[in-house]
Amino acid sequence: GENVEQHPSTLSVQEGDSAVIKCTYSDSASNYFPWYKQELGKGPQLIIDIRSNVGEKKDQRIAVTLNKTAKHFSLHITETQPEDSAVYFCAARVFNKFYFGSGTKLNVKP
Amino acid sequence: DAGVIQSPRHEVTEMGQEVTLRCKPISGHNSLFWYRQTMMRGLELLIYFNNNVPIDDSGMPEDRFSAKMPNASFSTLKIQPSEPRDSAVYFCASSFSGTLSYEQYFGPGTRLTVT
Repeated sequence: GENVEQHPSTLSVQEGDSAVIKCTYSDSASNYFPWYKQELGKGPQLIIDIRSNVGEKKDQRIAVTLNKTAKHFSLHITETQPEDSAVYFCAARVFNKFYFGSGTKLNVKP
Repeated sequence: DAGVIQSPRHEVTEMGQEVTLRCKPISGHNSLFWYRQTMMRGLELLIYFNNNVPIDDSGMPEDRFSAKMPNASFSTLKIQPSEPRDSAVYFCASSFSGTLSYEQYFGPGTRLTVT
């Protein structure tokens, strides 16, 4: 089955700086790559996604890039704010099953 | 829409007891997923349904776990008998499985503690 690896496991940045989280996947049949933000005590919240036929997608301060050849995709958060502090998960969809990375705990220091 | 609804939000039970977790997916969604989240293993897919039919239950840990989806708006995950190692947060998620939309939305989860 699909294997999704996510790095780093923890990331600490200063408010206003950028944060980048990277994921790799193994199954070339993966066609959809969502990113989730999970705050303490809550369920994962979909924040941005990208399909396999698109290389980049942006939504205000967050963006996702996809390199199908290398089988990796990344989440970019610019101008980070304290409320961005949370655990972020990447995922890959293969035949309607979603495989998740192990998560990145992002800490934005004010 | 109210989003995916799960109940109860917290469940504390003793080893050996039966536990039933409930989920109401987003109206119009035809796929439903049950996940388990622990610190050690992260987010694990237990089972998923498409059009109320179980498609893949390879993630169900053992026969103590069972899931049903009697109709498009309700699903249950049952553990009988429960064990301390079942303690985790259980999430239900739903999506519309089609060529135009793949987004999967999670419920708030049920935190299960088995003593």
